[in-house]
Amino acid sequence: AQSVAQPEDQVNVAEGNPLTVKCTYSVSGNPYLFWYVQYPNRGLQFLLKYITGDNLVKGSYGFEAEFNKSQTSFHLKKPSALVSDSALYFCAVREEGGYSSASKIIFGSGTRLSIRP
Amino acid sequence: DGGITQSPKYLFRKEGQNVTLSCEQNLNHDAMYWYRQDPGQGLRLIYYSQIVNDFQKGDIAEGYSVSREKKESFPLTVTSAQKNPTAFYLCASSILRTGLLSYGYTFGSGTRLTVV
Repeated sequence: AQSVAQPEDQVNVAEGNPLTVKCTYSVSGNPYLFWYVQYPNRGLQFLLKYITGDNLVKGSYGFEAEFNKSQTSFHLKKPSALVSDSALYFCAVREEGGYSSASKIIFGSGTRLSIRP
Repeated sequence: DGGITQSPKYLFRKEGQNVTLSCEQNLNHDAMYWYRQDPGQGLRLIYYSQIVNDFQKGDIAEGYSVSREKKESFPLTVTSAQKNPTAFYLCASSILRTGLLSYGYTFGSGTRLTVV
């Protein structure tokens, strides 16, 4: 069965410092990995995804994520945090495969990112 | 513009009432999903539908019902059997064809339901 874990409920970073939000996953086949961001009282917005190819994926708002197959991780990173990056971040995984109920995306529990001025 | 629309944005329900949350998409997506989110919490899947006139229970389906009479629409009814319905409800849709599963979900902006 697919699963995804975000080990930190909250990450606190000073503005201008680099940030990392951690995510590990478990699938039996090849994974499709996603990061979403949620601002208060809003739906989830797509940030970036890994399908295949280069392990470093670049996305919206200066975020990037590194796929590490051996560690089954897909950590979200940004070189210099902004106060406006403060939000709830979700990692998600979908298993490559055919049309089936297993093609649902599984979401992590979310990590609240707080950037202090 | 293509997108997914949830309405209303805020909804108040009296004890014992059924209420229906609307979700409409014009993305020609095959699958649609309903999630519940409690304060500071992650997403819990209520129901999903991969094709018209068919749907499956998610992890917390008790007290909820859905229909999928049209590809574009997937309304969620919160029934009086749902004992703690106050939450933020999110609808999502996705392409669901072999070879295109690398597409993620598109989310609506959510409906906040409060029991008064």
